[in-house]
Amino acid sequence: GAVVSQHPSWVICKSGTSVKIECRSLDFQATTMFWYRQFPKQSLMLMATSNEGSKATYEQGVEKDKFLINHASLTLSTLTVTSAHPEDSSFYICSARDRGLGGYTFGSGTRLTVV
Amino acid sequence: GDSVTQMEGPVTLSEEAFLTINCTYTATGYPSLFWYVQYPGEGLQLLLKATKADDKGSNKGFEATYRKETTSFHLEKGSVQVSDSAVYFCALYSGAGSYQLTFGKGTKLSVIP
Repeated sequence: GAVVSQHPSWVICKSGTSVKIECRSLDFQATTMFWYRQFPKQSLMLMATSNEGSKATYEQGVEKDKFLINHASLTLSTLTVTSAHPEDSSFYICSARDRGLGGYTFGSGTRLTVV
Repeated sequence: GDSVTQMEGPVTLSEEAFLTINCTYTATGYPSLFWYVQYPGEGLQLLLKATKADDKGSNKGFEATYRKETTSFHLEKGSVQVSDSAVYFCALYSGAGSYQLTFGKGTKLSVIP
């Protein structure tokens, strides 16, 4: 079945540094990628939607200059957390929509800890 | 706009007990409905789905029936196992706009031996 590879699975960084998270669709073309942040009480917050070759659409309240999303190809999208702070510590999950089948496949998530 | 409401957890059951997790929705048109499962430390996996009224989705012993008249998509399993311990998310896709799914807040299930 469809697989989305998300890396890294966990990362610890110092406050003020930037972290890049990659999501790659391995056997299908992902025209649309979604980035979520999951909070401790498990609820998912959609951060942004990105379409290949165009700028991401951010949800209200999400700082686009802080959470940079790039979707340069049909198989790769990246989320860069710039100048990370402890309050950015969270579990980040990507999801890709398969252009052919229309289904949604999720990455395995990235646990970000900012110290 | 679209919304999904699912029962709040956590839910704790003994092994072999019957499971129901309620999910109701509000959407325009005729949405597709999904249940996703998230095991600890992992992303979400599609558990089952239904795309039209009266469809029943099923997988791994779990079932859910798309009830348009009650706008519900309750998840059921006749006999849960310890390995079913996870967070379960109900979601819908209404076909509008940017293809995004609308999720419920998730229900954490713990099954004890």
